[in-house]
Formats: sequence, C-alpha cells, structure tokens
Amino acid sequence: DVVLTQTPSILSATIGQSVSISCRSSQSLLDSDGNTYLYWFLQRPGQSPQRLIYLVSNLGSGVPNRFSGSGSGTDFTLKISGVEAEDLGVYYCMQATHAPWTFGGGTKLELK
Amino acid sequence: QVKLQQSGAELVKPGASVKLSCKTSGYTFSTSYMSWFKQIPGQSIEWIGMIYAGDGGTGYNQKFKGKATLTVDTSSSTAYMDLSSLTTEDSAVYFCATSFDYWGQGVMVTVSS
Repeated sequence: DVVLTQTPSILSATIGQSVSISCRSSQSLLDSDGNTYLYWFLQRPGQSPQRLIYLVSNLGSGVPNRFSGSGSGTDFTLKISGVEAEDLGVYYCMQATHAPWTFGGGTKLELK
Repeated sequence: QVKLQQSGAELVKPGASVKLSCKTSGYTFSTSYMSWFKQIPGQSIEWIGMIYAGDGGTGYNQKFKGKATLTVDTSSSTAYMDLSSLTTEDSAVYFCATSFDYWGQGVMVTVSS
C-alpha cells in the first residue's frame, strides 16, 4: 500500500500566519492517465472531512482561496495564506492513484 | 442540495453483524459512486471500498474483504454497508461519501459485550 507521510504532525499558528503542511508519498502518484489523484481534507472536531483541494492544486467548491496546493510525483504541499480561526482542525492528504486509497496520518492545526 | 444522511449509532455484541445505511438526496444517485471510510476516534482515516450505483459493481480495500459488503437500493437512493463478525477492532466511526465532496455525518459503531 502507498504510505503518505505528513509533516508536521502538530502545527501551532497565530491568526493571520501563513503555514504549510507537507505530504510525502512512498510511490509516485502520477497516474497513467496523466492525472495525479492527491487530495487534501480538513476535519474539524466532531465533523466529517471536508474536501479542500483535488488533483493536487484545484480548489474545491466554496473553499476560500487562502488555501492552495502544489507538488508533483511524491512531494506535495498544502499552504494556508493567513490562518483564520475556522481553519483549526486536522488536515489529511489522501491518494486515489493506487488501490487501496490511503490517507496520511494527519496534521493538527492549533492556535499558538 | 446534496445530502447524505446516515443511520444512528449502533451498539453490537462481538460476533454479530450490523447494516449501516446512507440515504442520499439532491443528486443522481443511480449514476454515481459511493465510498465508505472507517475512522477510529483520534486516528486517521481508512478507505473501505466503493460501489457504483449504476450496476452495483464494487471495489474493496483488501483489508476489508470479508468484513464489509457494499450494496445499493436505487429505488430509495440509499447505500448500505454490512459489517460482519464484529470484534472490538471494528469499533469506529464509519462515513459514506460521494465524489469526496459530500460526506455523511458519520455513524459510531461500538462493539462490546
């Protein structure tokens, strides 16, 4: 199975600070169809995951543009340009290029 | 709008089975895919499998083959997941989701004698 390693596991930030989360894959996530099926989710406490980013860098519907995704192959990054209070929770990367689909271990974003 | 409404929390005994439901509305269920996920509280998320409502075709995470069985009822736009031979390791929150954009609220399954 593909292993996704997220760093850091805990991220302390102040409101307005810009932060980045890394997601490193044990295999290339470039599919034979030319797409890279790498997604980012935010799970707020007690809630279902919310998709933020799809196909590495595409912003999900209704997601604020302070979120951005980048990367290729095995290295991916989620950036939040100016953290807001509603951004607190656990962030997960997920890959759907190789079966079984797998998630990273999560990055908890908390207030400093 | 799109809604996925999951059934209520379950308390079941070891060795028993449970059937979870995910009732949908607001989109064309019969031509869509539904995925199911498992999350033990405080841990990451695992993908269990997916089903195409159009023909009932399924794909499973090998880890959950024999444990989970996915079905759909297109007449009621509802997806189901059967979990069998339950052990304490199956105690978790289970989510349904379509296209990763829309998720159910999750259902807590507790396996305890």
